[in-house]
Amino acid sequence: DGGITQSPKYLFRKEGQNVTLSCEQNLNHDAMYWYRQDPGQGLRLIYYSQIVNDFQKGDIAEGYSVSREKKESFPLTVTSAQKNPTAFYLCASSSQRELDYEQYFGPGTRLTVT
Amino acid sequence: AQSVTQLGSHVSVSEGALVLLRCNYSSSVPPYLFWYVQYPNQGLQLLLKYTSAATLVKGINGFEAEFKKSETSFHLTKPSAHMSDAAEYFCAVGPFPGYSSASKIIFGSGTRLSIRP
Repeated sequence: DGGITQSPKYLFRKEGQNVTLSCEQNLNHDAMYWYRQDPGQGLRLIYYSQIVNDFQKGDIAEGYSVSREKKESFPLTVTSAQKNPTAFYLCASSSQRELDYEQYFGPGTRLTVT
Repeated sequence: AQSVTQLGSHVSVSEGALVLLRCNYSSSVPPYLFWYVQYPNQGLQLLLKYTSAATLVKGINGFEAEFKKSETSFHLTKPSAHMSDAAEYFCAVGPFPGYSSASKIIFGSGTRLSIRP
């Protein structure tokens, strides 16, 4: 089955530690995205990538970093510089074909930093 | 600038009643429009999408939405609510081919739908 996997589902870290969230897709999509979701709020775009080895900052990129070395993978690192990292993180991917732009989402990773 | 507004952060309806979730968009170009559903602690799932082929779009789980250009609206409806419809619903607009951030989709802030027995 094609889809997007995110691991782990729940992640706990101590303050000051960097942590990397995994996102893998087997949909052969060119574009991938990372969003942050806080309670009662919508989705905020952190980073996105339209092609391998290239990515752009979203609306809240500070304190985060990404890489796109393979088409299938788009890991997100939450660094110690992120002031409030506890949140639900969603990864998504999409085709770049016209009329087929919808984003497909993974199940999410809930990060708790104490 | 492109944007999307969902009217009402929380909507409550009785089981069997009509569901109406409102979405208005702003776009300087013909938009692609989407409705997504999110159940607790899960990712978003596409309900339906508008890509200019037809103004009335039917989606999964009995939902549909009508694109009204004159009102810049894309409201989501379902004739009869079911308990399993309780979830968060997001309206989204984009992407915008030809613009520098071509692949971005802009999401509304979401509407939480509750179903009363």
